[in-house]
Amino acid sequence: TAGITQAPTSQILAAGRSMTLRCTQDMRHNAMYWYRQDLGLGLRLIHYSNTAGTTGKGEVPDGYSVSRANTDDFPLTLASAVPSQTSVYFCASSRTSGRNEQFFGPGTRLTVL
Amino acid sequence: AQSVAQPEDQVNVAEGNPLTVKCTYSVSGNPYLFWYVQYPNRGLQFLLKYITGDNLVKGSYGFEAEFNKSQTSFHLKKPSALVSDSALYFCAVRDRNTRDYKLSFGAGTTVTVRA
Repeated sequence: TAGITQAPTSQILAAGRSMTLRCTQDMRHNAMYWYRQDLGLGLRLIHYSNTAGTTGKGEVPDGYSVSRANTDDFPLTLASAVPSQTSVYFCASSRTSGRNEQFFGPGTRLTVL
Repeated sequence: AQSVAQPEDQVNVAEGNPLTVKCTYSVSGNPYLFWYVQYPNRGLQFLLKYITGDNLVKGSYGFEAEFNKSQTSFHLKKPSALVSDSALYFCAVRDRNTRDYKLSFGAGTTVTVRA
């Protein structure tokens, strides 16, 4: 199985433009997450979804939006990118039990100029 | 609120020597604790977790971790490090009392194992 796939692998984006980062999982996990990884800050949660049709805000949600129309897909949208959104973005999923580990995708490296 | 601290940004050890990566946590209730490893330009890979029971947890690649409730710690250990263990390691916690499944991650510790 593929696990979690993310697209694109990397992207350079002009400030003010919009972009959607794609995330798809084939493990039938109910919960999905978006993180950003910045040097010295570890992983910070942007948005999450406990099940299809529901979403919630994480630590750093401003400037980002998500949707969860079905179990498999969890796209992250930047409506108007700013340079501070330059980061590596990881999508993850897990079963809906707190004892279960999260599985991570390979990441998207985004540069906003 | 839940949080994790990894007090060392970097750990350097010689191959064959013991490796320890430190982690302390803060939760209002009891924790679920996790360790992940990240190799360059890759996503995070799960190593091991503490849920309940035995305080010594064994995981992938010969790693283990010891849960210490009194010290609120969950240090990662490997008896004999390999050069291939060089990577970025993250500790994460979830408070069992919360109703969602969010994890809080530490800032990460870079491990370098020299030949």
